[in-house]
Amino acid sequence: SQQGEEDPQALSIQEGENATMNCSYKTSINNLQWYRQNSGRGLVHLILIRSNEREKHSGRLRVTLDTSKKSSSLLITASRAADTASYFCATDGIGGNKLVFGAGTILRVKS
Amino acid sequence: KAGVTQTPRYLIKTRGQQVTLSCSPISGHRSVSWYQQTPGQGLQFLFEYFSETQRNKGNFPGRFSGRQFSNSRSEMNVSTLELGDSALYLCASSWTGQGYETQYFGPGTRLLVL
Repeated sequence: SQQGEEDPQALSIQEGENATMNCSYKTSINNLQWYRQNSGRGLVHLILIRSNEREKHSGRLRVTLDTSKKSSSLLITASRAADTASYFCATDGIGGNKLVFGAGTILRVKS
Repeated sequence: KAGVTQTPRYLIKTRGQQVTLSCSPISGHRSVSWYQQTPGQGLQFLFEYFSETQRNKGNFPGRFSGRQFSNSRSEMNVSTLELGDSALYLCASSWTGQGYETQYFGPGTRLLVL
């Protein structure tokens, strides 16, 4: 079963706007990662944040982690049409050696 | 460096048949994980192999099995296929499979069971 929920399930914005996606999880974690999936293809790693980190940046991406609330957010600034994809958070599951994924947010960026 | 490759990319089977999917990891990666993705259940972990040993297994019936070869290539097998096995099957590789590592995913095998 999935680790948690992602919010919103779908998001539609105009090019140039910012997109924020949220992820909640259920158990304690060591790391949380965000992945992107284009149209039913393989997943591409975006960014990893460790449990002792609160914020991390990578290019136009900003990730925050609040372990007390068991939640994370992914912010994409100045979005582009090419950012249209599904975005998933993933946590390292109990027992290690696996990722537990959220349900994902479908982002559509209109040009 | 070549990415993770999966074969075949598309597959159509009928109920009751069996299927074998293949995954070649990035050179040097010793951990290979398999995931099933469906619209209803999302992305679910199947199993993970490291150095030819299964280290972790998800909550799937015994019809789902896998193995890893000495060159780290991995196969997964689904026997007695059911309609609900229709899904995108993704494999991912990493150096050691630890949670702090990036997982590199292949393009997936889309299986349709009729």
